[in-house]
Amino acid sequence: DAKTTQPNSMESNEEEPVHLPCNHSTISGTDYIHWYRQLPSQGPEYVIHGLTSNVNNRMASLAIAEDRKSSTLILHRATLRDAAVYYCIPARFQGAQKLVFGQGTRLTINP
Amino acid sequence: DAGITQSPRYKITETGRQVTLMCHQTWSHSYMFWYRQDLGHGLRLIYYSAAADITDKGEVPDGYVVSRSKTENFPLTLESATRSQTSVYFCASTERGGLAGEQYFGPGTRLTVT
Repeated sequence: DAKTTQPNSMESNEEEPVHLPCNHSTISGTDYIHWYRQLPSQGPEYVIHGLTSNVNNRMASLAIAEDRKSSTLILHRATLRDAAVYYCIPARFQGAQKLVFGQGTRLTINP
Repeated sequence: DAGITQSPRYKITETGRQVTLMCHQTWSHSYMFWYRQDLGHGLRLIYYSAAADITDKGEVPDGYVVSRSKTENFPLTLESATRSQTSVYFCASTERGGLAGEQYFGPGTRLTVT
């Protein structure tokens, strides 16, 4: 499995953009990059995923480096509800999509 | 209600007892998963299932047993609970088990083994 490196914690202000980085230098060519987040006392929640090109959805944008060794999750306008632990997960299909959760980045949003 | 549910939400048991955690999803998703999350750590995959009667081990399967007789249910049994199995257990499901796809997680079961 590809190893990931994320900052342990980040802090931002409400209504400002947030860029959450992730390094996955050992990613294989067939691994999709998934992002999940976990709000306090809840199960993880899917945010976004991508393979090579940048992706957007209603929650966030995902910018993937050209060499695919890093990616950045972008929250365009953070709210207090975005305070969570964010996990970057290169997922490989081996009979099933196995997600390997690392430590993630704990995001704090200041009002 | 539609979605993925887990029961019980909280459970306290004694060392050596058998415990079964239930997971039920209403989407008829083919794939289901069990994860555990220890305090302050990320999730680790225990077992997963690609369809009814098809199960396979994840990263930390020792001490656990699963079954999947019906598509919508995926119970996890601790045959003889140990203190090291104190954790929060999450069940998940997905329609597509392939390279990409969204896994939907349940609310979790907080298990304490005394």
